[in-house]
Amino acid sequence: SQTIHQWPATLVQPVGSPLSLECTVEGTSNPNLYWYRQAAGRGLQLLFYSVGIGQISSEVPQNLSASRPQDRQFILSSKKLLLSDSGFYLCAWSEQVNQPQHFGDGTRLSIL
Amino acid sequence: LAKTTQPISMDSYEGQEVNITCSHNNIATNDYITWYQQFPSQGPRFIIQGYKTKVTNEVASLFIPADRKSSTLSLPRVSLSDTAVYYCLVGDVGIRSGAGSYQLTFGKGTKLSVIP
Repeated sequence: SQTIHQWPATLVQPVGSPLSLECTVEGTSNPNLYWYRQAAGRGLQLLFYSVGIGQISSEVPQNLSASRPQDRQFILSSKKLLLSDSGFYLCAWSEQVNQPQHFGDGTRLSIL
Repeated sequence: LAKTTQPISMDSYEGQEVNITCSHNNIATNDYITWYQQFPSQGPRFIIQGYKTKVTNEVASLFIPADRKSSTLSLPRVSLSDTAVYYCLVGDVGIRSGAGSYQLTFGKGTKLSVIP
């Protein structure tokens, strides 16, 4: 069966520090991969998605970037974190477009 | 993007059937309708997906009228553990081409509270 792993579960970082969140999927090949952010009490906003290795699409301008160095690995990064980057970050995968998305357990990021 | 509108919150007693309706007036021909459930501090969990008419699985039913401009998630005989936020999502990335970015958001969802 397919599984998705996302780590760390919680992270506290100072303003201006770098960020690297990793997501890996097992049990499937060439999945669509997604990064979302959820602010407190809000819905999920799509940040990046990828339909293949090295193919990254960004949905909103921001201080973050994403990379897909391997088929089932999706990384969310930042060179310098801002206070506004705080939130709950979720990684998800799907078999293909219009198929249900399956989410990881998320990373709670707090910027101090 | 087919923007969705849902009630912000709903209350229900245990054992009752709950129907949550989502409006998506400008749904596109290729768009599917997907519902997710989210508990606090967890990622959303897929519940059900449909394109038209009615879909049923072991946990819910999804009713979609012919014009597809709305959909209704039906949860039979809810329990306390069904207390969660329910999101309606229409469409997906990669479908649309042309100018402008494709913003896929889940919206704020419907917070369902099940009362004993």
